Parts: sequence; structure tokens; C-alpha cells
Amino acid sequence: EPEVTQTPSHQVTQMGQEVILRCVPISNHLYFYWYRQILGQKVEFLVSFYNNEISEKSEIFDDQFSVERPDGSNFTLKIRSTKLEDSAMYFCASSEKLANYGYTFGSGTRLTVV
Amino acid sequence: KQEVTQIPAALSVPEGENLVLNCSFTDSAIYNLQWFRQDPGKGLTSLLLIQSSQREQTSGRLNASLDKSSGRSTLYIAASQPGDSATYLCAVSGAGSYQLTFGKGTKLSVIP
Repeated sequence: EPEVTQTPSHQVTQMGQEVILRCVPISNHLYFYWYRQILGQKVEFLVSFYNNEISEKSEIFDDQFSVERPDGSNFTLKIRSTKLEDSAMYFCASSEKLANYGYTFGSGTRLTVV
Repeated sequence: KQEVTQIPAALSVPEGENLVLNCSFTDSAIYNLQWFRQDPGKGLTSLLLIQSSQREQTSGRLNASLDKSSGRSTLYIAASQPGDSATYLCAVSGAGSYQLTFGKGTKLSVIP
């Protein structure tokens, strides 16, 4: 069964450093998403991406965050200057069409900011 | 703003029991509702997707129902097994929106 692949599975970074989280969505999917889950809290929407541009973003997704699809297969989330409160599990997801048709999530990247 | 609540927060049952997990949402103008399973430190596995026009979906021992007008969904698990132990998340998508709004989940423990 097709999978969404995320790398790395765990990343530790120092506060103020830039991090890039990587995702390979399912090949025929057109919509891509990032979510995060702070330990013990709900899964929260960050951003959706379609046709090489952001289609929707949440209040969390401020200027410190950016997304990119640098080639035909990868989808990345960049955090420019990490803060302690960015520590969370970050999930990438993709869907063939709009969310109406269901999502497939990756296994996540655990980001720890020290 | 859509809010999703899941009750109970945690549930412990002996193996073989049938059980029901509950999900409620405040805005009934949803496009679909999805149930996920999350194992500790892992990603989200989609279990069932119910479109707003549907009343229920079934997959194996799982059955999910949707009452859109009352803002409720239930996930029924028949003949529970220790391997069902996980956190179950409910999420809804709004009409024309790209995002899912999640509940906090129900942590299920099935005791052998």
C-alpha cells in the first residue's frame, strides 16, 4: 500500500537553529499538508499546499515557517529559527483530492528543540 | 470555530468486549469525518472515512456512525483484542476547507 514517508524520524536541534523536515507524499496525490502534535495535545493543522502554492494556513504557521516542493517528489517544512515551543511531532499528509476524500499521514518527525 | 471533543479520554476493557468511542463536534457543516488510530510515538493510521451524506461505514470489526445534525459520531469496536490498544482520534473537515480538526483522542487499553 502506498505510504507517505518522512525523514528524519527524530531530530534534535538547538534553539535558534533552522530545521528542514522532509516528506515524500504518495506519488499521485495532489494535496499536501503539515500538522503538528505537541506532547499530550491535539493534532493541529499547520498548512496545506496545492499546485505549488499554499492554499490554507493556520495561525500557528507564521513567518518562521515555510513550505516548499523543491522537486516532483519531496515536500518540505522549514522552521527558520526554532524555539523551545516548536518541540513537537510533525506529521506530513497527502490526499488525492481535497480533504473530502481522506488523508494519508506519514509516521512523523519528532522535533526536539534544546 | 470548529471544536471536536472525544469521550472518554481513556478506556480500559477486558479482551473480547464490545466498546463504543464517542466524538462530538460543534459545527455540523462538515464535509466528512475520519477516525484514525495512533500508536505511541507513531503516525496516524486512517480507519474509516464517513462522508457527510453517509450514516455509517464498516471495516472488519469496526463500525463508525455519523449523525451530522446532532454533531456526533461513534466508533464501535466489536470483540476487542489486545492489538486494538492505541489512541483513537476523530477528525472533521469543513466544507471547502483543506484542514482537519482533531479531537484529543480516546486512549484504549484492551487487557488480555
